Amino acid sequence: SAVISQKPSRDICQRGTSLTIQCQVDSQVTMMFWYRQQPGQSLTLIATANQGSEATYESGFVIDKFPISRPNLTFSTLTVSNMSPEDSSIYLCSVEYRVSSYNEQFFGPGTRLTVL
Amino acid sequence: AQSVAQPEDQVNVAEGNPLTVKCTYSVSGNPYLFWYVQYPNRGLQFLLKYITGDNLVKGSYGFEAEFNKSQTSFHLKKPSALVSDSALYFCAVRPQLRGGYNKLIFGAGTRLAVHP
Repeated sequence: SAVISQKPSRDICQRGTSLTIQCQVDSQVTMMFWYRQQPGQSLTLIATANQGSEATYESGFVIDKFPISRPNLTFSTLTVSNMSPEDSSIYLCSVEYRVSSYNEQFFGPGTRLTVL
Repeated sequence: AQSVAQPEDQVNVAEGNPLTVKCTYSVSGNPYLFWYVQYPNRGLQFLLKYITGDNLVKGSYGFEAEFNKSQTSFHLKKPSALVSDSALYFCAVRPQLRGGYNKLIFGAGTRLAVHP
């Protein structure tokens, strides 16, 4: 399986500031994903980040608010821009990784963000 | 619309008793089905999946799930619950539609509380 790490693991930020979350994978993967998990809620896909192309955003999410970088096959960043308390969530990085004959999806430990 | 339903927000079980966490889905075709577990302050961990074959699949930590095509269900089960099983459980479905990428669709999650 793929081992995924995220930095920071948690942060408390002030309204109006921005935070960049890093995701590092121990294997080369084509597809990486960023999810948001609001308090008490399920996971919502923010965007798909494939190396060498622009990220694809889901309905309700825009690049200006959540810019994503994907410089190589093992790394990605998600920035939460101009934060408000409504952005307080867990942000999870996820990858697809080939296991036997099927692509499985693995998740990082998450970044717990609190916006004051 | 394609969706996954976990009808119970919380399931309470006494340690040593069997447990069931329910999941039903409304997805076209023959989807792939998954269960993930999220322990406090942790990311999602893969438990098990159904792709094809035997309707009863076995996964990590003694969990198993039964695929029922006619009822479009994929309930998670364990014969004897442990206090350490207490966590948030997510059912997820990946449609198998031709053309384009098929994203994981998550249920709302069910909190399992196992009491000593």
